[in-house]
Amino acid sequence: QQPVQSPQAVILREGEDAVINCSSSKALYSVHWYRQKHGEAPVFLMILLKGGEQKGHDKISASFNEKKQQSSLYLTASQLSYSGTYFCGSETGANNLFFGTGTRLTVIP
Amino acid sequence: NAGVTQTPKFQVLKTGQSMTLQCAQDMNHEYMSWYRQDPGMGLRLIHYSVGAGITDQGEVPNGYNVSRSTTEDFPLRLLSAAPSQTSVYFCASSYGPGSGANVLTFGAGSRLTVL
Repeated sequence: QQPVQSPQAVILREGEDAVINCSSSKALYSVHWYRQKHGEAPVFLMILLKGGEQKGHDKISASFNEKKQQSSLYLTASQLSYSGTYFCGSETGANNLFFGTGTRLTVIP
Repeated sequence: NAGVTQTPKFQVLKTGQSMTLQCAQDMNHEYMSWYRQDPGMGLRLIHYSVGAGITDQGEVPNGYNVSRSTTEDFPLRLLSAAPSQTSVYFCASSYGPGSGANVLTFGAGSRLTVL
């Protein structure tokens, strides 16, 4: 039931852009995005509900294609602080949030 | 306001021993859950609860028990520890699923090693 994330890892230079994709085999009620710094707990970034909306958080935004059961996270003009592992979480309407295997993002100067 | 508190932060067990990971939240969240995190596997749901007295299994429940006697507490019990249960465990809580507000707040994690 875990959604599939890609890529597994990406290395960026400061100022470059990145896209992280998340897809599910089940119909989605919502998609969540979390970021986890090394040795810390995951922290909520944003939630996208059914309706194909796009949300933004500073220079990080996301889209949700309900028909394709896919979501993408866009990181624009990356900063060193963006480094970490990004997880998408899929909520299928049952009482659960299932997470993908994560995308490790490294931003270098 | 402490959020989600997990104890202990670190624990080493021998195979066959039992232990309880404690989780408490002070946000009056109805929904609580336990995840385990292993390298390359992401976060996998072990057990969850939608309110006091109600618990259910997640993706990987075998070898674990939970109970929810109060809204605040959701302990995870390892009945007979096995090396395969070596992992980092996260407790998380939220106002509830299906409401568009199922935003999880995670505890700091408990690193368990089973020898």
